[in-house]
Amino acid sequence: EAQVTQNPRYLITVTGKKLTVTCSQNMNHEYMSWYRQDPGLGLRQIYYSMNVEVTDKGDVPEGYKVSRKEKRNFPLILESPSPNQTSLYFCASSLTRNTGELFFGEGSRLTVL
Amino acid sequence: QKEVEQNSGPLSVPEGAIASLNCTYSDRVSQSFFWYRQYSGKSPELIMSIYSNGDKEDGRFTAQLNKASQYVSLLIRDSQPSDSATYLCAVNPYSGNTPLVFGKGTRLSVIA
Repeated sequence: EAQVTQNPRYLITVTGKKLTVTCSQNMNHEYMSWYRQDPGLGLRQIYYSMNVEVTDKGDVPEGYKVSRKEKRNFPLILESPSPNQTSLYFCASSLTRNTGELFFGEGSRLTVL
Repeated sequence: QKEVEQNSGPLSVPEGAIASLNCTYSDRVSQSFFWYRQYSGKSPELIMSIYSNGDKEDGRFTAQLNKASQYVSLLIRDSQPSDSATYLCAVNPYSGNTPLVFGKGTRLSVIA
């Protein structure tokens, strides 16, 4: 089954404790992206990757890091989480950037205390 | 700044009626347009894409595009309570690496 898998789905952590949200897709997609979704603000892009070893900042990259060492995986790293990073996070992928046809993971709800 | 505007709603329609969801965009050279449906607590799911002026129909859904007016809409015929969700309009700008731009979504409520 074609899918984008995120883990963990739910996480409560404390300020400053490094965490990683994993994302994996099994569709051989070139393009992968991370979004956060907050009430009233909609979906905002954090980082994206056009292909292996190619990443770039989205609209709200501050406080986040990513890497793309393999085509299928695109982890999101919060080096020192803060309460303003409490949000619902989605990983998404598409065949290429220009398709606009994104497949989303189920989401990861993160709470930073 | 490329923008996509949607009325946040909620838009309430009775079961069986036509729901009309609207979206305007600022980047005149945008080439492709998408509608995503997001149920509460779930991830967005692509339901329609449209690339040229006019109408595109898929089952009970019709997407309409008017590039001159920079306007895209989604019609849902014979609305069902299961259509109650937030609908996100997304626009793919023409230029280079600019990512897909999402509107904030319109919440639709279909009343049985």
